[in-house]
Amino acid sequence: AQSVSQHNHHVILSEAASLELGCNYSYGGTVNLFWYVQYPGQHLQLLLKYFSGDPLVKGIKGFEAEFIKSKFSFNLRKPSVQWSDTAEYFCAVNGDNDMRFGAGTRLTVKP
Amino acid sequence: DGGITQSPKYLFRKEGQNVTLSCEQNLNHDAMYWYRQDPGQGLRLIYYSQIVNDFQKGDIAEGYSVSREKKESFPLTVTSAQKNPTAFYLCASARTGSTGELFFGEGSRLTVL
Repeated sequence: AQSVSQHNHHVILSEAASLELGCNYSYGGTVNLFWYVQYPGQHLQLLLKYFSGDPLVKGIKGFEAEFIKSKFSFNLRKPSVQWSDTAEYFCAVNGDNDMRFGAGTRLTVKP
Repeated sequence: DGGITQSPKYLFRKEGQNVTLSCEQNLNHDAMYWYRQDPGQGLRLIYYSQIVNDFQKGDIAEGYSVSREKKESFPLTVTSAQKNPTAFYLCASARTGSTGELFFGEGSRLTVL
């Protein structure tokens, strides 16, 4: 079965700092890759997704992610974080309609 | 409005009792999923179903059961065999043959006393 690893459990940044959250997966076939965000007290919402084509995908709120096939990675980035980005971020991989999630990374942005 | 409805939102049960969580969708999605969300562990896949009358175990299926008799419905039963059933349960659906993006319900919080 496929698995997803997120390297950081909790990241604390100051406003305007750059963000990179790691995500690696293990799966032998073609995958679709996702990043979801869960703001405090709210439900999961989709940030961005990759299916094919340009490995650099842009999502909402200034987030982007790069798919590096050789490294089985799909890291999330944002050049300058805001206090409102405080949330939990989940990487997810869908290989054969069996979507699996990483353990999540909690991001705290200090004003 | 199209969406996924989970019920009940909150549920309290005594140890040893089975409990069934409802999940209904009117998005005409083929695939449906059940996840369990625990702090620090993300969403863990319990069961998923790609078509009616068929479902597969996820990573933590022990102590749970499901059925998929209708396309719209995918109920989850938490049995007395589940050793640590207190958790937040999320149901989701997706169109198969597409990008696989999930649409989530609002969740059900089960507390076993």
